[in-house]
Amino acid sequence: DAEITQSPRHKITETGRQVTLACHQTWNHNNMFWYRQDLGHGLRLIHYSYGVQDTNKGEVSDGYSVSRSNTEDLPLTLESAASSQTSVYFCASSPLRDSSYEQYFGPGTRLTVT
Amino acid sequence: AQKVTQAQTEISVVEKEDVTLDCVYETRDTTYYLFWYKQPPSGELVFLIRRNSFDEQNEISGRYSWNFQKSTSSFNFTITASQVVDSAVYFCALSEARWNNAGNMLTFGGGTRLMVKP
Repeated sequence: DAEITQSPRHKITETGRQVTLACHQTWNHNNMFWYRQDLGHGLRLIHYSYGVQDTNKGEVSDGYSVSRSNTEDLPLTLESAASSQTSVYFCASSPLRDSSYEQYFGPGTRLTVT
Repeated sequence: AQKVTQAQTEISVVEKEDVTLDCVYETRDTTYYLFWYKQPPSGELVFLIRRNSFDEQNEISGRYSWNFQKSTSSFNFTITASQVVDSAVYFCALSEARWNNAGNMLTFGGGTRLMVKP
């Protein structure tokens, strides 16, 4: 069955370290998204991509970067982790740019920056 | 800019009670889409429903029903005869259409935590 996976599921890192969170989907979806979930804020968009070599900044992109070298993967990199980036991170995908499509979410990665 | 507000941060009910989760949104677009997602204690996000801005018909799915009212910019979610398994965080979200189809970005509300006690 097609799915979207994230790894690792849990990560503890130190302030200043570079961290990469993986997202892999097997639906062949063009659109992929990264969100962070914090109490009281719901989910907020970090970066998104509409296809290979396309990346765009979302609402809370500072300190994060993404790259899209193939359809299946959108890794999220924290260049220099900060305690404010402690959060739960969700990757999502959808088939087309059409706003009517729902997004399919991965299981999430809980990141703790100490 | 679009915005979604879920004023109820936490609701507690006793099993079999009916409960309504409120969602109010702001957008300048005439074409947009509204969604509800459920996040059970296990943490994954489960899609529940999608509604476009031109369809104000209420929708019912088993014990779940949704009331979309453009006049009040609300898209409320009611669970009838709540069950313990309904305990979760529920998110309302908005997606605006774009003329060049560059949309499909979701703006989420802050979520409502529903606790159903036996």
